[in-house]
Amino acid sequence: DTAVSQTPKYLVTQMGNDKSIKCEQNLGHDTMYWYKQDSKKFLKIMFSYNNKELIINETVPNRFSPKSPDKAHLNLHINSLELGDSAVYFCASSRGGGISEAFFGQGTRLTVV
Amino acid sequence: SQQGEEDPQALSIQEGENATMNCSYKTSINNLQWYRQNSGRGLVHLILIRSNEREKHSGRLRVTLDTSKKSSSLLITASRAADTASYFCATDAGGNNRLAFGKGNQVVVIP
Repeated sequence: DTAVSQTPKYLVTQMGNDKSIKCEQNLGHDTMYWYKQDSKKFLKIMFSYNNKELIINETVPNRFSPKSPDKAHLNLHINSLELGDSAVYFCASSRGGGISEAFFGQGTRLTVV
Repeated sequence: SQQGEEDPQALSIQEGENATMNCSYKTSINNLQWYRQNSGRGLVHLILIRSNEREKHSGRLRVTLDTSKKSSSLLITASRAADTASYFCATDAGGNNRLAFGKGNQVVVIP
């Protein structure tokens, strides 16, 4: 069973479109994250949720909106996609925030053309 | 936000050799973690070392932590081709459910 699964794995879309990436974890973790990994492999935290509540909202454009319908899901919706949004987006979860190991999904490679 | 910052190295070594990479951070931490990322995959947790620990082993991995220097090192002994990956350190500095990553070290093990 996949612990953290995100879909889709690849997403190619045109500028200006709206898209969503879904993430689900079956580990019973309280904390979920979204990270963005750029072309230089730098991982930047975007959002962190704990028990469906937004804990961290880094300096991310308003076009990015996370939604957590329940503790096991954290989806990422992106409006009006721009070329600079092209990256790999990772969902992750952990038991207790930064104090315990995080489990990552396989990533969603977003390409905006 | 605080984050681990690895020395910007790319290592290329022969199979069987040891690989060492370093990580530095800026503020106090509760723990430091190391992760591996194979090409095109997500990150996989390798080892966690707490701030009151100085050294930790897991199989062929050895991690050291020097809180006075705010630095950590990851040693992979007797490397294998399958160890080819990027390695990241991450800290909980900044609290608030934050797990902040550094830039990563690319390690290539030549068979």
